[in-house]
Order: sequence, then structure tokens, then C-alpha cells
Amino acid sequence: EAQVTQNPRYLITVTGKKLTVTCSQNMNHEYMSWYRQDPGLGLRQIYYSMNVEVTDKGDVPEGYKVSRKEKRNFPLILESPSPNQTSLYFCASSPRLGLDGYGYTFGSGTRLTVV
Amino acid sequence: ILNVEQSPQSLHVQEGDSTNFTCSFPSSNFYALHWYRWETAKSPEALFVMTLNGDEKKKGRISATLNTKEGYSYLYIKGSQPEDSATYLCAFLAPGGSRLTFGEGTQLTVNP
Repeated sequence: EAQVTQNPRYLITVTGKKLTVTCSQNMNHEYMSWYRQDPGLGLRQIYYSMNVEVTDKGDVPEGYKVSRKEKRNFPLILESPSPNQTSLYFCASSPRLGLDGYGYTFGSGTRLTVV
Repeated sequence: ILNVEQSPQSLHVQEGDSTNFTCSFPSSNFYALHWYRWETAKSPEALFVMTLNGDEKKKGRISATLNTKEGYSYLYIKGSQPEDSATYLCAFLAPGGSRLTFGEGTQLTVNP
């Protein structure tokens, strides 16, 4: 089944404890992206990747890191999480962003709480 | 940061009603407009990707139109059903753009 797999689905952690949210897609998509969803603010992009070893900042990159060493994986790393990073996170992928007819395929989301 | 606005913010309709909502986006520098449907406790799913002015797309009872000259898109739902209850998101892509900019969504509730 074609899908984007995110793990974990739920995570409660403490301030300052490094964590990684994994994202993997099995569709050979070039483009991958991370978003966070906060009430009243819509989906805001954190980082994106156009292809392997090509990553760039989105609108809200502070406090996050990513890597794209293989096409299928795009982990989101929080080196020192803070309470303002409590949010719902989505990973998404697309064959090539802008390619006609192809929207994002989203992962199932990760609800992160930082206390 | 590009401004993508959706209205209304929320909408309650009765089963069987037809409804529509709006997505406004920058009319200059347009490449594509996406619509997504996001049900509670699930992840957003792509409905339509629209690129041409005057484009009209349809999937079952849901359709969308696009006006790139004036910078808006409408999403229509004919004969709403309770299972149509969801948040409907639009997202804008500029030429050469590397990311979709999302609106905040319209939350639709269809009462049986």
C-alpha cells in the first residue's frame, strides 16, 4: 500500500530531551516536507526536501533539524525541545511538487507534548 | 509569506443541503491551487490540484472551480451528507515554488 509512515503517533517528552520523529514513504517521491498544525494558525511548513541531500527551511524552522540521506526517509529532529514546540506534526510527500495532478500524501500525524 | 484565506471559518448545514466555500490567494504569480479534505483524527487527503484559469474539477458530489485572474477558488458540495463533515483546506503554490502555503481551512459540519 502506498503510504507515508510517521512514528510515533503520540509522544510526551520533557524540555531539553532530544527526540526524532521518523517519516518514511514507499512511493519513490522526490519531494518531502514537514508541517506543524496549531489551533488558529493552520498548517505551517517547517522544512522541506526537493530530493536526496537537498533540504531547505520553511516558514517556521527554528528549533528543528532534518536530514535526507535516502529518498524514502525524512526524519524531523528536535535537539532541545521546548514547550512551544507542543503541536501536531505532519510529514507529507509528493512525486515532484507542482507536477500537475499530484497533491501531497500525508502521514498520519504525530501529536507531541513537551512539558 | 503568501496570504491564503478561506471563508467561512466554519459552517453548519443540514443533510441534503448544498454548500460552498471560498479560498482566496494571490492572483499574481500563480502556479497551482490544491484542495484537501481533513477528517477528525485522520490526515489530510488530496481532493483536487488545479492549475488552469477556468478549471473545473469534480469528484462525486464535490466540485471545485478556479479563477486565477481574480485569485479565488470555490469548493462546492452538492447534497451534503454527514460523512462530508471535515475541514476543507486549500493550498497555494507559486511558480518555481518549493512549498504549498495552506489556508486555515473551513470546518464543515453536516447535521443528520
